[in-house]
Amino acid sequence: DAGITQSPRHKVTETGTPVTLRCHQTENHRYMYWYRQDPGHGLRLIHYSYGVKDTDKGEVSDGYSVSRSKTEDFLLTLESATSSQTSVYFCAISLSRTDTQYFGPGTRLTVL
Amino acid sequence: EDKVVQSPLSLVVHEGDTVTLNCSYEVTNFRSLLWYKQEKKAPTFLFMLTSSGIEKKSGRLSSILDKKELFSILNITATQTGDSAVYLCAVPNFGNEKLTFGTGTRLTIIP
Repeated sequence: DAGITQSPRHKVTETGTPVTLRCHQTENHRYMYWYRQDPGHGLRLIHYSYGVKDTDKGEVSDGYSVSRSKTEDFLLTLESATSSQTSVYFCAISLSRTDTQYFGPGTRLTVL
Repeated sequence: EDKVVQSPLSLVVHEGDTVTLNCSYEVTNFRSLLWYKQEKKAPTFLFMLTSSGIEKKSGRLSSILDKKELFSILNITATQTGDSAVYLCAVPNFGNEKLTFGTGTRLTIIP
């Protein structure tokens, strides 16, 4: 999986609680991405980062924030989780913006 | 808005059959098209296509792009049960930061 880990791998939480998902890479790739995958929608980009402290929104960014204080870590935070955020979350990395994106193993999040 | 449509949504064939998966796209400033295979975990990269009419091959898998008609096909010959997966097609935007994915084709190979 190209040196990408995600934690936790599974999480069940309640509506209204904050949740943070972590993506860690050992490849020293500049670009990191957070996607969510839902039936009927495929993979959709939430946020991405093009360097330390440099982030931008994707197509479904509402309700999510991100931070990247180190090259190797990209955090996705749900400030107040809702049931609509129940999904599988994938992190991806790429060496540059024109290179292929490689995906982490995913985190299954259930919001009750 | 960029758009990627895959067909069929699902396909069930017998081991040894040949299958063709389709991906059509609408994207401004086309740069490339990517195919991924997703089993029960993360999508894994298969091919990147940038030039029309040039076939990419990897073992029993091959793919070709038609930039005039805005589609790509993924062929799998002599299918095996290990080919059972969801196959995803994606196109990046001009800057390549954002991939637009299709919803995938779920391929099931019956022994």
